[in-house]
Amino acid sequence: GENVEQHPSTLSVQEGDSAVIKCTYSDSASNYFPWYKQELGKRPQLIIDIRSNVGEKKDQRIAVTLNKTAKHFSLHITETQPEDSAVYFCAASGFQKLVFGTGTRLLVSP
Amino acid sequence: DTAVSQTPKYLVTQMGNDKSIKCEQNLGHDTMYWYKQDSKKFLKIMFSYNNKELIINETVPNRFSPKSPDKAHLNLHINSLELGDSAVYFCASSQGSEMNTEAFFGQGTRLTVV
Repeated sequence: GENVEQHPSTLSVQEGDSAVIKCTYSDSASNYFPWYKQELGKRPQLIIDIRSNVGEKKDQRIAVTLNKTAKHFSLHITETQPEDSAVYFCAASGFQKLVFGTGTRLLVSP
Repeated sequence: DTAVSQTPKYLVTQMGNDKSIKCEQNLGHDTMYWYKQDSKKFLKIMFSYNNKELIINETVPNRFSPKSPDKAHLNLHINSLELGDSAVYFCASSQGSEMNTEAFFGQGTRLTVV
């Protein structure tokens, strides 16, 4: 079945810096790769997603890249702000289920 | 309107008790899920239902029994609760059965077994 690894587990940056979170997946049949943000005590919420027929997608300060050959995908956040502080999860579509990475706790210091 | 709602939000109970968590979605989605989030924040799928039919059971102990009376509801009943069951349980739903669309999560139920 699908297995998703995510790095780093924690990431501390200064406000205005960029943050990059990386994930790898195991199932070459996976075709959907969403990223979720979970604030403290809240539910995970989708922030961006990418499908296997696209190499890159951008939405304002957030971008996601996908390398199908290497089975890597990454989340890039530019000009980070304190409100970006949260746990971020990558995920990959396995057989009829979403498999999540282990999460990255991002802390943006003012 | 809340898209995916689950109740209760908090549940504190003693070992050995039986408890239920309810989930409802008003998005018209075909597929609903239960995820467990442990203290390390790992999100692990437990069950997946498509149009009331069980699709995925991720080797969850049979003390956990999901029930889907219709495609808008997926409840979770837990028998003989153990300390290790303490976690946040999230219900979620998505359109279609291929799991390639956005999953919408409920607000979570924090279960504490004492």
